[in-house]
Amino acid sequence: KNEVEQSPQNLTAQEGEFITINCSYSVGISALHWLQQHPGGGIVSLFMLSSGKKKHGRLIATINIQEKHSSLHITASHPRDSAVYICAVLYNTDKLIFGTGTRLQVFP
Amino acid sequence: EPEVTQTPSHQVTQMGQEVILRCVPISNHLYFYWYRQILGQKVEFLVSFYNNEISEKSEIFDDQFSVERPDGSNFTLKIRSTKLEDSAMYFCASTPMTVQETQYFGPGTRLLVL
Repeated sequence: KNEVEQSPQNLTAQEGEFITINCSYSVGISALHWLQQHPGGGIVSLFMLSSGKKKHGRLIATINIQEKHSSLHITASHPRDSAVYICAVLYNTDKLIFGTGTRLQVFP
Repeated sequence: EPEVTQTPSHQVTQMGQEVILRCVPISNHLYFYWYRQILGQKVEFLVSFYNNEISEKSEIFDDQFSVERPDGSNFTLKIRSTKLEDSAMYFCASTPMTVQETQYFGPGTRLLVL
């Protein structure tokens, strides 16, 4: 069964800490998305990856196709980064399969 | 910056009633999607739509559900006879050309079936 596993489920950090959220999937994919869901429910796309690494501001996303694993890193975390971070993958179809999300809380 | 809009933001309905959720995707996008998120659970794919027809649908998307692009801007999700378990947040999304691109999500419609 094509699943997406994320870890940790919950994460708390002090402002300024380096954050890593992990995502693993079961078989070959065509693309992987990292999404951010705000407390109000809105979803924002952070990255779409099919290989390598992408960086946007303090956010870095990497993917290892051989290991079937992706990581989302947040450098110099800030309370406004508090949100649920969701990994979602495309398994050669239109159907995006979502992970359960990682709830991040960053305290001042 | 262009954005996906959804109306209404909240809807309360009685079990068995029909509801139509509306979305206006970004204007030059070609691929459209509906997702749902039951409270406390993960987001689930419902359907993708391209070139005026369903491209793919999940097992959740049964005969009670339908999608339509009635004009050049709106994309609707209809639930024919709502059930209690249809209570969820429904998100619309769009991508410019293909499924393998950044998805732009709408703010969601929170549906409550009583």
